[in-house]
Amino acid sequence: DAGITQSPRHKVTETGTPVTLRCHQTENHRYMYWYRQDPGHGLRLIHYSYGVKDTDKGEVSDGYSVSRSKTEDFLLTLESATSSQTSVYFCAISGDRGTDTQYFGPGTRLTVL
Amino acid sequence: QKEVEQDPGPLSVPEGAIVSLNCTYSNSAFQYFMWYRQYSRKGPELLMYTYSSGNKEDGRFTAQVDKSSKYISLFIRDSQPSDSATYLCAMTQGGSNYKLTFGKGTLLTVNP
Repeated sequence: DAGITQSPRHKVTETGTPVTLRCHQTENHRYMYWYRQDPGHGLRLIHYSYGVKDTDKGEVSDGYSVSRSKTEDFLLTLESATSSQTSVYFCAISGDRGTDTQYFGPGTRLTVL
Repeated sequence: QKEVEQDPGPLSVPEGAIVSLNCTYSNSAFQYFMWYRQYSRKGPELLMYTYSSGNKEDGRFTAQVDKSSKYISLFIRDSQPSDSATYLCAMTQGGSNYKLTFGKGTLLTVNP
């Protein structure tokens, strides 16, 4: 998985609770991404980062926030989890060039009851 | 019209068959095209990467891009049960636009 770890790998939580997912990379890549993957929707970009403290929204960012205080770590926070946020979350990384491909982590399976 | 269309399948073939997977797209600015393979409960892994039109071959896999038709294909020769996975196409404009646009994936099963 290209030097990418995600934690936790599985989580069950209750509606209304905050949840933080962590992505850690050892590749020193500039770009990091958070996606969610749902049946019928495929992979959808939530947020991405183009450097430390530099982040921007993707297509499904409502209800999510991110932070990147170090090159190697990118955190995704669900401020108040809802059942519609039950999904599999993938982190990805890519290098400095716009043509660089993205490499994905193993995923976090989140269930919101 | 969605930017990238991919038949979700499922596609079931016997071992040894030639498999053809396809995506169409609407954005003529896309220049870089990728195929990812995703095994059940795993992250997508990059399989093939091509720039602009043409073919690229890697072992049993061949990726084709036809920009004039806005159509990309992945061919798998001598398919194996280990090829059973979901295949995702992805594409990007490149340059300052590094965001990938994904197809929804095609589920392939190769039967022994």
